Amino acid sequence: QKEVEQDPGPLSVPEGAIVSLNCTYSNSAFQYFMWYRQYSRKGPELLMYTYSSGNKEDGRFTAQVDKSSKYISLFIRDSQPSDSATYLCAMSASPGAQKLVFGQGTRLTINP
Amino acid sequence: SQTIHQWPATLVQPVGSPLSLECTVEGTSNPNLYWYRQAAGRGLQLLFYSVGIGQISSEVPQNLSASRPQDRQFILSSKKLLLSDSGFYLCAWSPTGLGETQYFGPGTRLLVL
Repeated sequence: QKEVEQDPGPLSVPEGAIVSLNCTYSNSAFQYFMWYRQYSRKGPELLMYTYSSGNKEDGRFTAQVDKSSKYISLFIRDSQPSDSATYLCAMSASPGAQKLVFGQGTRLTINP
Repeated sequence: SQTIHQWPATLVQPVGSPLSLECTVEGTSNPNLYWYRQAAGRGLQLLFYSVGIGQISSEVPQNLSASRPQDRQFILSSKKLLLSDSGFYLCAWSPTGLGETQYFGPGTRLLVL
């Protein structure tokens, strides 16, 4: 069993829809959770970074962590075609950034 | 602000040839540096990381090696490339503090034929 599981998709939704992207994990020591967005043929860019459980909002993006269920989510409101990308979750047990464990990424397409 | 550079952007190499990919970071001192490989449709595989000049940790056995000759320079090398070395190579950096995360470069696409 992989430490981090992420549905690879592809996921296709109409413009304006609410998108929910999810990851599950098995290591209860994970405390730091990240979402990266990766456009085709580009490097991943950090989108959201949360510590422990709870929600964090940034514009149209909301990151949610449920440590009791070992489940994290990224919600995108009012989705735009420019949101079409692969979304990678990542997590770490240590406060330093040396050991990030990544999901395999979900490919998202927003249709105009 | 900090900037991370990688070159070349794309590389096509024959099997058995050597490899040298370079990564440099600007605007920070003493960063942690990382090399990842991303195969098509798959997640990121950590290959090497470095916490300082000359300090390299290898995560997976392979025919690749890494070096850090300067504080903000990280090099990925191979003496003889294999077909299986094809992929998207990403360099990343992180500040050396608690609660930090990693920031990625633009990547190098390597095709071994």
